[in-house]
Amino acid sequence: GDSVTQMEGPVTLSEEAFLTINCTYTATGYPSLFWYVQYPGEGLQLLLKATKADDKGSNKGFEATYRKETTSFHLEKGSVQVSDSAVYFCVFSGAGSYQLTFGKGTKLSVIP
Amino acid sequence: DAGITQSPRHKVTETGTPVTLRCHQTENHRYMYWYRQDPGHGLRLIHYSYGVKDTDKGEVSDGYSVSRSKTEDFLLTLESATSSQTSVYFCAISNTGDNQPQHFGDGTRLSIL
Repeated sequence: GDSVTQMEGPVTLSEEAFLTINCTYTATGYPSLFWYVQYPGEGLQLLLKATKADDKGSNKGFEATYRKETTSFHLEKGSVQVSDSAVYFCVFSGAGSYQLTFGKGTKLSVIP
Repeated sequence: DAGITQSPRHKVTETGTPVTLRCHQTENHRYMYWYRQDPGHGLRLIHYSYGVKDTDKGEVSDGYSVSRSKTEDFLLTLESATSSQTSVYFCAISNTGDNQPQHFGDGTRLSIL
Protein backbone atom coordinates (compact mmCIF):
# COMPACT_ATOMS: atom_id res chain seq x y z
CA GLY A 1 0.00 0.00 0.00
CA ASP A 2 0.89 3.67 -0.10
CA SER A 3 3.42 4.78 2.47
CA VAL A 4 5.99 7.45 3.21
CA THR A 5 9.27 7.00 5.07
CA GLN A 6 11.29 9.88 6.45
CA MET A 7 14.51 9.91 8.39
CA GLU A 8 14.32 9.29 12.08
CA GLY A 9 15.09 12.10 14.43
CA PRO A 10 15.80 13.92 16.47
CA VAL A 11 18.23 16.03 14.46
CA THR A 12 20.34 18.65 16.22
CA LEU A 13 22.22 21.25 14.20
CA SER A 14 24.15 24.40 14.92
CA GLU A 15 22.81 27.67 13.56
CA GLU A 16 23.78 28.26 9.89
CA ALA A 17 24.35 24.55 9.26
CA PHE A 18 22.99 22.79 6.17
CA LEU A 19 19.85 20.73 6.64
CA THR A 20 18.67 17.64 4.79
CA ILE A 21 15.72 15.54 5.88
CA ASN A 22 15.27 12.51 3.67
CA CYS A 23 11.85 11.35 2.52
CA THR A 24 10.88 8.52 0.19
CA TYR A 25 7.45 7.29 -0.76
CA THR A 26 5.69 4.26 -2.17
CA ALA A 27 2.59 4.99 -4.20
CA THR A 28 0.75 4.02 -7.32
CA GLY A 29 0.17 6.69 -9.91
CA TYR A 30 1.36 10.25 -9.49
CA PRO A 31 0.89 11.58 -5.97
CA SER A 32 1.21 15.17 -4.80
CA LEU A 33 3.92 15.71 -2.19
CA PHE A 34 4.08 18.11 0.72
CA TRP A 35 6.22 19.12 3.65
CA TYR A 36 4.40 20.32 6.74
CA VAL A 37 5.99 21.93 9.80
CA GLN A 38 4.71 21.85 13.38
CA TYR A 39 6.09 24.38 15.84
CA PRO A 40 5.82 23.54 19.56
CA GLY A 41 2.24 23.67 20.81
CA GLU A 42 0.80 24.48 17.41
CA GLY A 43 -0.99 22.78 14.55
CA LEU A 44 0.61 21.78 11.28
CA GLN A 45 1.39 24.37 8.64
CA LEU A 46 2.01 23.70 4.98
CA LEU A 47 5.65 24.50 4.25
CA LEU A 48 5.88 23.62 0.56
CA LYS A 49 4.40 21.37 -2.07
CA ALA A 50 5.05 19.76 -5.46
CA THR A 51 2.40 18.23 -7.65
CA LYS A 52 4.34 16.60 -10.49
CA ALA A 53 7.70 15.07 -11.28
CA ASP A 54 10.67 17.50 -11.27
CA ASP A 55 8.63 20.23 -9.58
CA LYS A 56 10.59 22.11 -6.92
CA GLY A 57 8.66 23.45 -3.96
CA SER A 58 10.22 26.27 -1.95
CA ASN A 59 9.32 28.52 0.96
CA LYS A 60 11.19 30.36 3.73
CA GLY A 61 14.54 29.13 2.38
CA PHE A 62 13.46 25.48 2.36
CA GLU A 63 13.39 23.49 -0.88
CA ALA A 64 12.35 20.01 -2.00
CA THR A 65 12.32 18.47 -5.47
CA TYR A 66 9.85 15.78 -6.56
CA ARG A 67 12.07 12.99 -7.91
CA LYS A 68 9.96 10.33 -9.56
CA GLU A 69 12.91 8.14 -10.54
CA THR A 70 14.03 7.79 -6.93
CA THR A 71 10.53 8.29 -5.39
CA SER A 72 12.00 10.92 -3.11
CA PHE A 73 11.16 14.39 -1.83
CA HIS A 74 14.05 15.41 0.41
CA LEU A 75 13.80 18.66 2.37
CA GLU A 76 16.83 20.99 2.33
CA LYS A 77 17.83 24.36 3.70
CA GLY A 78 21.20 25.97 3.23
CA SER A 79 21.46 27.77 6.58
CA VAL A 80 19.15 26.90 9.45
CA GLN A 81 18.13 29.30 12.20
CA VAL A 82 17.07 28.71 15.79
CA SER A 83 13.52 29.63 14.73
CA ASP A 84 13.47 26.59 12.40
CA SER A 85 13.34 24.28 15.41
CA ALA A 86 10.16 22.24 14.87
CA VAL A 87 8.87 18.86 13.74
CA TYR A 88 8.81 18.33 9.98
CA PHE A 89 6.43 15.93 8.26
CA CYS A 90 6.73 14.51 4.77
CA VAL A 91 3.24 13.92 3.38
CA PHE A 92 1.70 12.72 0.19
CA SER A 93 -1.71 12.62 -1.37
CA GLY A 94 -2.33 9.76 -3.76
CA ALA A 95 -3.65 10.44 -7.22
CA GLY A 96 -7.39 11.03 -7.02
CA SER A 97 -7.39 10.70 -3.23
CA TYR A 98 -8.77 12.97 -0.53
CA GLN A 99 -6.51 11.47 2.07
CA LEU A 100 -3.05 12.50 3.18
CA THR A 101 -0.47 9.92 4.23
CA PHE A 102 1.99 11.24 6.82
CA GLY A 103 5.51 10.28 7.66
CA LYS A 104 6.25 9.94 11.35
CA GLY A 105 7.91 13.32 11.61
CA THR A 106 11.47 14.48 12.19
CA LYS A 107 12.19 16.73 15.14
CA LEU A 108 14.78 19.41 14.37
CA SER A 109 16.54 21.36 17.07
CA VAL A 110 18.82 24.23 16.07
CA ILE A 111 21.23 25.50 18.72
CA PRO A 112 22.91 28.91 18.70
CA ASP B 1 -4.19 31.42 8.71
CA ALA B 2 -7.20 29.41 7.62
CA GLY B 3 -10.22 30.12 9.84
CA ILE B 4 -10.37 26.90 11.83
CA THR B 5 -11.35 26.78 15.49
CA GLN B 6 -11.20 23.64 17.57
CA SER B 7 -12.93 23.37 20.92
CA PRO B 8 -12.14 22.62 23.61
CA ARG B 9 -8.37 23.07 23.37
CA HIS B 10 -7.75 20.85 26.37
CA LYS B 11 -9.92 18.28 28.09
CA VAL B 12 -9.42 15.75 30.85
CA THR B 13 -12.10 13.14 31.38
CA GLU B 14 -12.62 9.66 32.75
CA THR B 15 -12.83 6.30 31.05
CA GLY B 16 -16.34 5.44 29.90
CA THR B 17 -17.61 8.99 29.54
CA PRO B 18 -18.78 10.42 26.21
CA VAL B 19 -16.68 13.19 24.67
CA THR B 20 -17.43 15.48 21.75
CA LEU B 21 -14.85 17.64 20.03
CA ARG B 22 -15.89 20.43 17.72
CA CYS B 23 -14.26 21.85 14.62
CA HIS B 24 -15.61 25.09 13.20
CA GLN B 25 -14.45 26.66 9.93
CA THR B 26 -15.17 30.01 8.36
CA GLU B 27 -13.67 29.20 4.92
CA ASN B 28 -16.71 27.45 3.43
CA HIS B 29 -14.46 24.52 2.46
CA ARG B 30 -16.19 21.36 1.36
CA TYR B 31 -13.84 18.79 2.92
CA MET B 32 -13.16 18.36 6.63
CA TYR B 33 -11.01 15.81 8.42
CA TRP B 34 -10.26 14.55 11.91
CA TYR B 35 -6.80 13.19 12.74
CA ARG B 36 -5.10 11.98 15.86
CA GLN B 37 -1.42 12.54 16.57
CA ASP B 38 0.52 10.10 18.70
CA PRO B 39 4.28 9.78 19.30
CA GLY B 40 5.91 7.57 16.67
CA HIS B 41 2.83 7.51 14.43
CA GLY B 42 2.67 10.90 12.76
CA LEU B 43 -0.94 11.83 12.04
CA ARG B 44 -3.58 9.22 11.32
CA LEU B 45 -6.95 9.90 9.76
CA ILE B 46 -9.99 9.04 11.87
CA HIS B 47 -12.92 10.21 9.72
CA TYR B 48 -13.50 12.72 6.99
CA SER B 49 -16.41 14.52 5.39
CA TYR B 50 -16.90 15.49 1.76
CA GLY B 51 -20.07 17.48 2.32
CA VAL B 52 -23.00 18.06 4.66
CA LYS B 53 -24.10 14.68 6.02
CA ASP B 54 -21.49 12.92 3.85
CA THR B 55 -18.80 11.22 5.90
CA ASP B 56 -16.48 8.24 5.61
CA LYS B 57 -14.05 6.26 7.74
CA GLY B 58 -10.33 6.74 7.85
CA GLU B 59 -7.51 4.52 9.01
CA VAL B 60 -8.33 4.50 12.75
CA SER B 61 -12.11 4.98 12.98
CA ASP B 62 -12.96 2.33 15.60
CA GLY B 63 -14.45 3.93 18.72
CA TYR B 64 -15.20 7.23 16.98
CA SER B 65 -18.20 8.70 15.22
CA VAL B 66 -18.66 12.00 13.39
CA SER B 67 -21.43 14.27 12.26
CA ARG B 68 -21.68 17.21 9.89
CA SER B 69 -25.03 18.93 9.86
CA LYS B 70 -23.66 22.25 8.54
CA THR B 71 -20.82 23.09 6.19
CA GLU B 72 -18.92 24.92 8.93
CA ASP B 73 -19.09 22.35 11.74
CA PHE B 74 -17.61 18.85 12.02
CA LEU B 75 -18.05 17.01 15.31
CA LEU B 76 -16.00 14.07 16.56
CA THR B 77 -17.57 11.92 19.26
CA LEU B 78 -16.03 9.28 21.47
CA GLU B 79 -19.11 7.39 22.67
CA SER B 80 -17.31 5.77 25.60
CA ALA B 81 -13.79 7.09 26.00
CA THR B 82 -10.90 4.71 26.67
CA SER B 83 -7.35 5.45 27.80
CA SER B 84 -6.05 4.44 24.34
CA GLN B 85 -7.87 7.46 22.93
CA THR B 86 -5.66 9.85 24.90
CA SER B 87 -4.11 11.88 22.12
CA VAL B 88 -3.92 15.21 20.38
CA TYR B 89 -6.72 15.63 17.87
CA PHE B 90 -6.47 17.84 14.82
CA CYS B 91 -9.14 19.04 12.48
CA ALA B 92 -8.24 19.94 8.91
CA ILE B 93 -10.06 21.42 5.93
CA SER B 94 -9.53 21.58 2.19
CA ASN B 95 -11.45 23.08 -0.66
CA THR B 96 -11.13 20.72 -3.56
CA GLY B 97 -10.05 17.50 -1.83
CA ASP B 98 -8.22 15.67 -4.56
CA ASN B 99 -4.42 15.96 -4.22
CA GLN B 100 -4.69 19.29 -2.44
CA PRO B 101 -3.05 20.42 0.79
CA GLN B 102 -5.10 20.60 3.92
CA HIS B 103 -5.12 23.40 6.50
CA PHE B 104 -5.01 22.43 10.14
CA GLY B 105 -6.49 23.74 13.37
CA ASP B 106 -4.42 24.16 16.52
CA GLY B 107 -5.47 20.85 18.03
CA THR B 108 -7.28 19.52 21.08
CA ARG B 109 -5.27 17.75 23.76
CA LEU B 110 -7.48 15.03 25.24
CA SER B 111 -6.50 13.04 28.31
CA ILE B 112 -8.58 10.07 29.43
CA LEU B 113 -7.85 8.82 32.90
